[in-house]
Amino acid sequence: AQSVTQPDIHITVSEGASLELRCNYSYGATPYLFWYVQSPGQGLQLLLKYFSGDTLVQGIKGFEAEFKRSQSSFNLRKPSVHWSDAAEYFCAVGGIYSSASKIIFGSGTRLSIRP
Amino acid sequence: EAGVTQSPTHLIKTRGQQATLRCSPISGHTSVYWYQQALGLGLQFLLWYDEGEERNRGNFPPRFSGRQFPNYSSELNVNALELEDSALYLCASSPTGAGGYTFGSGTRLTVV
Repeated sequence: AQSVTQPDIHITVSEGASLELRCNYSYGATPYLFWYVQSPGQGLQLLLKYFSGDTLVQGIKGFEAEFKRSQSSFNLRKPSVHWSDAAEYFCAVGGIYSSASKIIFGSGTRLSIRP
Repeated sequence: EAGVTQSPTHLIKTRGQQATLRCSPISGHTSVYWYQQALGLGLQFLLWYDEGEERNRGNFPPRFSGRQFPNYSSELNVNALELEDSALYLCASSPTGAGGYTFGSGTRLTVV
């Protein structure tokens, strides 16, 4: 069965520090992988996605993620965080076939930024 | 290009009533997805519509239902509202059955 695990419920980092948010997935076939960000009271915005090819994916707002098949991971990184990055981050996995294309979301990691 | 639009933004209902939530997808997107985001429960998949048909359904009781119209807009209906139905309901659309969604800002449903 599909599942996504985000082991960190809440992370606090200092402004200007580097960030890594962890994501592990379980999926029986080649997955599509996504990272979304949600500001309080808002919908979700797609940061980046991985379908195939280069395992290092660049996204918006300076974020990147690396797909590691051997570790079933898709961790999100940013070299230097800004106060505006404080939000909830969701990792998600979806199928490559239209019949199974619903996306399963992890439980989210709340990011706080220390001034 | 207009994004995914949801209405109303906020909805307050009494237990036992019915709620109707609406979603307009991005132009050209044929798939619409509904998710429930309740406090502490993350994003739970509710329904997927594509080309007017229900394609997949999450683990929710039958009182959660919906439909997709010929213009690809969608309605989510929740009958016999319960207090635990209070949540942010998010709609998303995609151009095909896969490839990542674009989300709307959601409808905040409060059941009192």
